[in-house]
Amino acid sequence: DAKTTQPNSMESNEEEPVHLPCNHSTISGTDYIHWYRQLPSQGPEYVIHGLTSNVNNRMASLAIAEDRKSSTLILHRATLRDAAVYYCILRDFPWGSGTYKYIFGTGTRLKVLA
Amino acid sequence: DGGITQSPKYLFRKEGQNVTLSCEQNLNHDAMYWYRQDPGQGLRLIYYSQIVNDFQKGDIAEGYSVSREKKESFPLTVTSAQKNPTAFYLCASSIGTDANYGYTFGSGTRLTVV
Repeated sequence: DAKTTQPNSMESNEEEPVHLPCNHSTISGTDYIHWYRQLPSQGPEYVIHGLTSNVNNRMASLAIAEDRKSSTLILHRATLRDAAVYYCILRDFPWGSGTYKYIFGTGTRLKVLA
Repeated sequence: DGGITQSPKYLFRKEGQNVTLSCEQNLNHDAMYWYRQDPGQGLRLIYYSQIVNDFQKGDIAEGYSVSREKKESFPLTVTSAQKNPTAFYLCASSIGTDANYGYTFGSGTRLTVV
């Protein structure tokens, strides 16, 4: 099972900021928080990742709670091209597997209204 | 530019046929992965490989086979034993195997049984 919890869907108006939440209460001290987004019929695309401090890049910002049990992806000005499914992912080490993996949940479907 | 190339983009399979999906990367990544995605669902791991000539089953390996003869290539064969193969297939790669460096995804192959 995915180690993160996200709302199934969210809506935003174009040109307004969007805050996409993610809960990850079982995160361990060395796990990075990764965000990807997937446009229809395409592979997931890297958005941002972080460990403890807030992170910024040209696509988005990542705000990480002090206890690291939750994080928020911030799109500063949503555009129609930002409409996608956003995945918040932690690595997992399933018992018996011998390796780390990503476990994908169903993500948050972001709808941007013109 | 470095990246992952999946081919073909669309593939049609008749009942009882085996088909092979291609995945090539020029990122010099050690680990490669195959995921399956059904409509409205997250990604599920089929197989993964951490080094050449080695691979492990993921969560839904039945009816699939892989090989890793070269670092750059990780083809997936969908066999006739896979009873419901219609899905979107995604290949990914990562630098290492600790999953903290992120994955790079291909653009996917959509397989349809006709």
